[in-house]
Amino acid sequence: EAQVTQNPRYLITVTGKKLTVTCSQNMNHEYMSWYRQDPGLGLRQIYYSMNVEVTDKGDVPEGYKVSRKEKRNFPLILESPSPNQTSLYFCASMHAGSNTGELFFGEGSRLTVL
Amino acid sequence: RKEVEQDPGPFNVPEGATVAFNCTYSNSASQSFFWYRQDCRKEPKLLMSVYSSGNEDGRFTAQLNRASQYISLLIRDSKLSDSATYLCVVNNYGQNFVFGPGTRLSVLP
Repeated sequence: EAQVTQNPRYLITVTGKKLTVTCSQNMNHEYMSWYRQDPGLGLRQIYYSMNVEVTDKGDVPEGYKVSRKEKRNFPLILESPSPNQTSLYFCASMHAGSNTGELFFGEGSRLTVL
Repeated sequence: RKEVEQDPGPFNVPEGATVAFNCTYSNSASQSFFWYRQDCRKEPKLLMSVYSSGNEDGRFTAQLNRASQYISLLIRDSKLSDSATYLCVVNNYGQNFVFGPGTRLSVLP
């Protein structure tokens, strides 16, 4: 089954404790991205990657890091989480040559930073 | 001003009603346009792309007006299962997707 898998789905942590949210896709997609969703603000892009070893900042990259060492994986790293990073996070992937613009999303990771 | 704006709703309509959602975008260089649907606490899913000539998919019709930088979605004969949040999405360049805040629809029995 074609899918994008995120882990963990739910996480409560404390300020300053490094964490990683993993994202994996099995569709051989070149493009992957991370979004955060907050009430009234919609989804905002954090980082995206066009292919292995190629990453770019989105609209709200501060406080986050990513890596793309393998095509299928695109982990999101919070080196020192803060309460303003409490949010719902979505990973998405897409075939780079897609003419439909269809992003495939993971089920989301709800993060709470105390 | 947000780059993509939508009326947040909620729109509460009876089954069978026709409902229209509007969306405006500020970047005149935007290249492609989409409507996504998001159910409560779920991930967004593509509903339909929006083409300059307008396009229809069953009960759903999307329109694009590049001159006014305006996108619309019309849902005819609303079903209970149409209850969701509808996200207007704009692609500016490459793979930069900008999402609107969404319009919430509740279809009532």
